[in-house]
Amino acid sequence: SQTIHQWPATLVQPVGSPLSLECTVEGTSNPNLYWYRQAAGRGLQLLFYSVGIGQISSEVPQNLSASRPQDRQFILSSKKLLLSDSGFYLCAWSFQGRSPLHFGNGTRLTVT
Amino acid sequence: KNEVEQSPQNLTAQEGEFITINCSYSVGISALHWLQQHPGGGIVSLFMLSSGKKKHGRLIATINIQEKHSSLHITASHPRDSAVYICAVDHTGNQFYFGTGTSLTVIP
Repeated sequence: SQTIHQWPATLVQPVGSPLSLECTVEGTSNPNLYWYRQAAGRGLQLLFYSVGIGQISSEVPQNLSASRPQDRQFILSSKKLLLSDSGFYLCAWSFQGRSPLHFGNGTRLTVT
Repeated sequence: KNEVEQSPQNLTAQEGEFITINCSYSVGISALHWLQQHPGGGIVSLFMLSSGKKKHGRLIATINIQEKHSSLHITASHPRDSAVYICAVDHTGNQFYFGTGTSLTVIP
């Protein structure tokens, strides 16, 4: 069966520090991978999606970046965090148009 | 204008009540998803449907493609159903649009 792992679960970082959130999927090949952010009381905002290794599409220009160095690994990064980067970050995967969205447990990021 | 609109935003029900959450969308879709987000934050997929009706336990999801509308029903609601329910549409196979969610509280 397929599983998705996302870590860390919680993170407190000072403004200006770097960020690296990692997501891995097991039990499937060539999934579509997504990074979403959910601000308090708001809906899910798509940050990045990837349809294959090295292929990243950005939906929201900001100081975040994403990389997909391996088929089942998706990384969200920042060189310098802003206060506005605080939120709940979720990684997800699906097969294009053919499967439900499967989410990781999320990372709650607080930038202080 | 949001591509996906949900109603109501908040819903409080007594245990045992029949609950309906509505979702309307304005874009072409290949599928519609109903998701459940518990207070801890984790999101679980409940249904994926592109036509008709699906049932899983006490949960029923329906979709009317012509009217661009879907409903999620919960029969015999229970406090453990308390969660945020999110409607999402698969627009291109790579891009999903999400509603802002319906926060459901079921009181014993």
